[in-house]
Amino acid sequence: SQTIHQWPATLVQPVGSPLSLECTVEGTSNPNLYWYRQAAGRGLQLLFYSVGIGQISSEVPQNLSASRPQDRQFILSSKKLLLSDSGFYLCAWSGAADEGTQYFGPGTRLLVL
Amino acid sequence: AQSVTQLDSQVPVFEEAPVELRCNYSSSVSVYLFWYVQYPNQGLQLLLKYLSGSTLVESINGFEAEFNKSQTSFHLRKPSVHISDTAEYFCAVTYTGGGNKLTFGTGTQLKVEL
Repeated sequence: SQTIHQWPATLVQPVGSPLSLECTVEGTSNPNLYWYRQAAGRGLQLLFYSVGIGQISSEVPQNLSASRPQDRQFILSSKKLLLSDSGFYLCAWSGAADEGTQYFGPGTRLLVL
Repeated sequence: AQSVTQLDSQVPVFEEAPVELRCNYSSSVSVYLFWYVQYPNQGLQLLLKYLSGSTLVESINGFEAEFNKSQTSFHLRKPSVHISDTAEYFCAVTYTGGGNKLTFGTGTQLKVEL
C-alpha cells in the first residue's frame, strides 16, 4: 500500500531564517506531487505541483520554492522566511489513473516568529 | 477556471441530528467532485467522490453526497451525526483532463454537541 510522510511535524523558525520541508511517498512510482498551504479560515492554497523529477510548476508567486530531486521526494524551501509564511503545510500525491483523487500527508505546522 | 463555494464556515449540530454541508461549484466543463475530512492537526482524508455514473455517492461511515448538475451542487449529508464526526470538511473539484489539480473550498467546520 502507499504511504506519504512529511517532516518535521512542527517547526518554529525566526523571520529571515531558511526553510526545508520534506515529503516522501512510498509504494508507488511516478506520482504527481503537490504542496499546499493551509491558513486558518482560508482553505487550501496550492503552492507547487510536480509531474516528474525536476518538473515543478508554481501556482502562487512568493518567496518559497520546491524541488523534486527523486521520483518520490518533494521538498519545499525558502531562503528567508516571512511572518506570513506561518501555516500548515500539506503534501499530497496522486497517481495517473486516480482521476483527480489526491492523498495527503500528515502535514507540517510552521510558526515563524 | 473552476471554483468552489462552501457558504457555511461553521455548522453546529446536536448528536444524532441530521446535517447537510453545502457545496456549490462553478465550471464550464465536466467535473469530478470530492469531499475531504480533516481532523485537528491532521492531513486531509478522502471521504467520498463523484466521477461518473450514479449521482448519489456514499462513504463507509454514513455520509452521502449527491451530484446535481443543474444546480451545480454537491452537498454532503448524514442522517444522524456522532461526536466523532466533529471535523472540518472540504469540498473540491477538478475537471476531466485537468491533470489531477484540485480546487478546494474554504471548508466547513462541523461541531457535533451532546
